[in-house]
Amino acid sequence: DIVLTQSPALAVSLGQRATISCRASQSVSTSSYNLMHWYQQKPGQQPKLLIYDASNLASSIPARFSGSGSGTDFTLTINPVQADDIATYYCQQSRELPRTFGGGTKLELK
Amino acid sequence: QVQLKESGPGLVQPSQTLSLTCTVSGFSLTSYHVSWVRQPPGKGLEWMGVIWTGGSTAYNSLLKSRLSISRDISKSQVFLKMNSLQTEDTATYYCAREDGGSYVMDAWGQGASVTVSS
Repeated sequence: DIVLTQSPALAVSLGQRATISCRASQSVSTSSYNLMHWYQQKPGQQPKLLIYDASNLASSIPARFSGSGSGTDFTLTINPVQADDIATYYCQQSRELPRTFGGGTKLELK
Repeated sequence: QVQLKESGPGLVQPSQTLSLTCTVSGFSLTSYHVSWVRQPPGKGLEWMGVIWTGGSTAYNSLLKSRLSISRDISKSQVFLKMNSLQTEDTATYYCAREDGGSYVMDAWGQGASVTVSS
């Protein structure tokens, strides 16, 4: 199985940039796609797709969210961070079965 | 408008079988795959399995011996059945639509909370 590793938590100030990383145990990229996706989850809510294929913004997601990376290293950036962005962020790969998720990064206010 | 909604019992006794239904609207089960994902209280997300547009399935090997996913296209419903439940199966269970291109889960249900307890 592909293991995705995320830092458990990140403290950030409102208005600043937050960078959340996700490292895969093996490449999740094909010749055409980077099959890494990012989700936001707030307490008591279902996950919400933010970024697909590493860098594509999902529908209705604000432009302060962006994603980058390929192969095994991926990054979700929020700039600037707003109060509504306080949540847990998960990366997920669809390169291979089983689909796997990172352990989640909890974004906290500094 | 794309919607998925999970339904089922909130409480299941140990060793019994869990049955959940995911009712979808706004899209066809012959055009999108549907995955099941669960989340134990305070923990991360675990992919359980998927039913493809053609009706075949794939499961997480950790759950494969206990898990079955099926569907009724006419009712726009996907079913999850998992037997031999234990307390560690206590979780919120989500169904999610999976895009056929890059297999991203682009829409999720609100989740069904299941507690395994006697």
